[in-house]
Amino acid sequence: GNSVTQMEGPVTLSEEAFLTINCTYTATGYPSLFWYVQYPGEGLQLLLKATKADDKGSNKGFEATYRKETTSFHLEKGSVQVSDSAVYFCALCPYGGSQGNLIFGKGTKLSVKP
Amino acid sequence: NAGVTQTPKFQVLKTGQSMTLQCAQDMNHNSMYWYRQDPGMGLRLIYYSASEGTTDKGEVPNGYNVSRLNKREFSLRLESAAPSQTSVYFCASSEAWGSYEQYFGPGTRLTVT
Repeated sequence: GNSVTQMEGPVTLSEEAFLTINCTYTATGYPSLFWYVQYPGEGLQLLLKATKADDKGSNKGFEATYRKETTSFHLEKGSVQVSDSAVYFCALCPYGGSQGNLIFGKGTKLSVKP
Repeated sequence: NAGVTQTPKFQVLKTGQSMTLQCAQDMNHNSMYWYRQDPGMGLRLIYYSASEGTTDKGEVPNGYNVSRLNKREFSLRLESAAPSQTSVYFCASSEAWGSYEQYFGPGTRLTVT
């Protein structure tokens, strides 16, 4: 079946540190991949996406590359800010869609200290 | 535009009580969804409505019912609440079935005692 596995948190970093949050997936066919972010007290927002192998999604300084050979979509940012403190969810949409389209990982909480 | 709105923001129920969670979107989206979020579990789909007039079960539909009242509104009903339904509930919408980007409401935090 389809599933998403992401690194367990919480992750605590100092401001300006480098961030990596690992995400790997299992899927049949060629899924699309996403990172969603949830700021405290809010709903989820789409952060970035990649729809085919080797695509790089980017937004707000965050990047993730769709790696089919390693079935991965790791989230990176070169210099985090306190305002990046949030929960980050990796998600996939199976090729051709299915119930509700999106399958989420369990989320990784990031705390950035000044 | 308000986007996706949900009411109430917080609710406490006793076991066996019923309630309806309301959701509305003003983006003229065709598809709407209800998720629950539990610690360490991520988001799990309860029900969805691919288009006005249709509803389907998601991953965890037991104990819930839904109504797509019109294109804007999609409600979730708990007929007889149980402590296992303590969770944060999110409504979401997307432009069309198969659209990748879903827009989420702020959530309803429900506690069942």
